[in-house]
Amino acid sequence: DAEITQSPRHKITETGRQVTLACHQTWNHNNMFWYRQDLGHGLRLIHYSYGVHDTNKGEVSDGYSVSRSNTEDLPLTLESAASSQTSVYFCASSESLDRGYNEQFFGPGTRLTVL
Amino acid sequence: GESVGLHLPTLSVQEGDNSIINCAYSNSASDYFIWYKQESGKGPQFIIDIRSNMDKRQGQRVTVLLNKTVKHLSLQIAATQPGDSAVYFCAESRYNQGGKLIFGQGTELSVKP
Repeated sequence: DAEITQSPRHKITETGRQVTLACHQTWNHNNMFWYRQDLGHGLRLIHYSYGVHDTNKGEVSDGYSVSRSNTEDLPLTLESAASSQTSVYFCASSESLDRGYNEQFFGPGTRLTVL
Repeated sequence: GESVGLHLPTLSVQEGDNSIINCAYSNSASDYFIWYKQESGKGPQFIIDIRSNMDKRQGQRVTVLLNKTVKHLSLQIAATQPGDSAVYFCAESRYNQGGKLIFGQGTELSVKP
């Protein structure tokens, strides 16, 4: 069955280190999204991509970057981790029948702790 | 778990009762409204959506009502079961925004056996 996976599921790192969170989907979806989830804020969009080599900034993109070299993967990189980036990170993907809304499918999440 | 468990509105219902979860939205230009369910330790899961030109949509045991006059969205769950215990999020999307979702803060539903 097609799915979306994230790795690692849990990560502890230190302030200033570079961290990369992986997201892999097997639906062949063109659209992929990264969100963070914090107490009191729901899910907030970090970056998103509509296809290979396309990336866009979301609501809370500072300190994060993404790259899209193939359809299946959208890794999220924290260039220099900060304690404020301690959060749970979710990746999602959707079809791109058009540029409108299509159902997003979410991965299981990565819990990141920055000490 | 991964879900937001504190500082959320909470709703506690008895098993078998109907549940109503409410959501207020601010953008009258939104084209779609979506409800997601998030169980502890898991990612959000799609429940049901509704276009902005509709007032009501029904699924299996769930109904979404949209009141554009007061910018209010509700999710009704019939015969609530223990497996319905989760955090429920509403989200909105605009057609010309490339499928991006804007999420509300969520409501935690607790079902008492």
